[in-house]
Amino acid sequence: NAGVTQTPKFRVLKTGQSMTLLCAQDMNHEYMYWYRQDPGMGLRLIHYSVGEGTTAKGEVPDGYNVSRLKKQNFLLGLESAAPSQTSVYFCASSYGSHQYYGYTFGSGTRLTVV
Amino acid sequence: EDQVTQSPEALRLQEGESSSLNCSYTVSGLRGLFWYRQDPGKGPEFLFTLYSAGEEKEKERLKATLTKKESFLHITAPKPEDSATYLCAVQAGAGGTSYGKLTFGQGTILTVHP
Repeated sequence: NAGVTQTPKFRVLKTGQSMTLLCAQDMNHEYMYWYRQDPGMGLRLIHYSVGEGTTAKGEVPDGYNVSRLKKQNFLLGLESAAPSQTSVYFCASSYGSHQYYGYTFGSGTRLTVV
Repeated sequence: EDQVTQSPEALRLQEGESSSLNCSYTVSGLRGLFWYRQDPGKGPEFLFTLYSAGEEKEKERLKATLTKKESFLHITAPKPEDSATYLCAVQAGAGGTSYGKLTFGQGTILTVHP
């Protein structure tokens, strides 16, 4: 089925460890986004990309880096994980800036930093 | 700063008991207001986009409406399968500078009992 695939689905990290979350979409979408979801906080934008080779900071970018080397993939990296980064991470994609059809979201990555 | 506030935080209904969810927003230049449904352990699923005050959209038992300050999601004769978290989001910024970024509310958890 066409859509957005996130890997891994679950991960436990120790403080200071690094990891990369992968997001892949097969809908030829130009725009891709990384959000984190915390209880009572709603979804908050970390980074986004408006096309291959571009990235930009969102609302809460500190402690994260991203790359979009290929149009279909958007990677989120944590260089030195902290307990404050325990969250559920969602990747989303869209055709463009006009959200006629809304985002297509992945199923999420639940990350725990201990 | 764009803000989205949803109320109530949680709503418990009996099957067939109609009600409404509220989404209040403050935004500079509304480009669109969005409703998503999120089931436990899954990513949000797009429901509606509303663009201007007075606009209404319907899907099965759901109807979304928009005013200049808030949006309502009306649920008519709900069924247990309507139980989910409903998220509201806004896209701000006139002139094509929003890059599709959305600001989300914290969500309303709806539980429908048989």
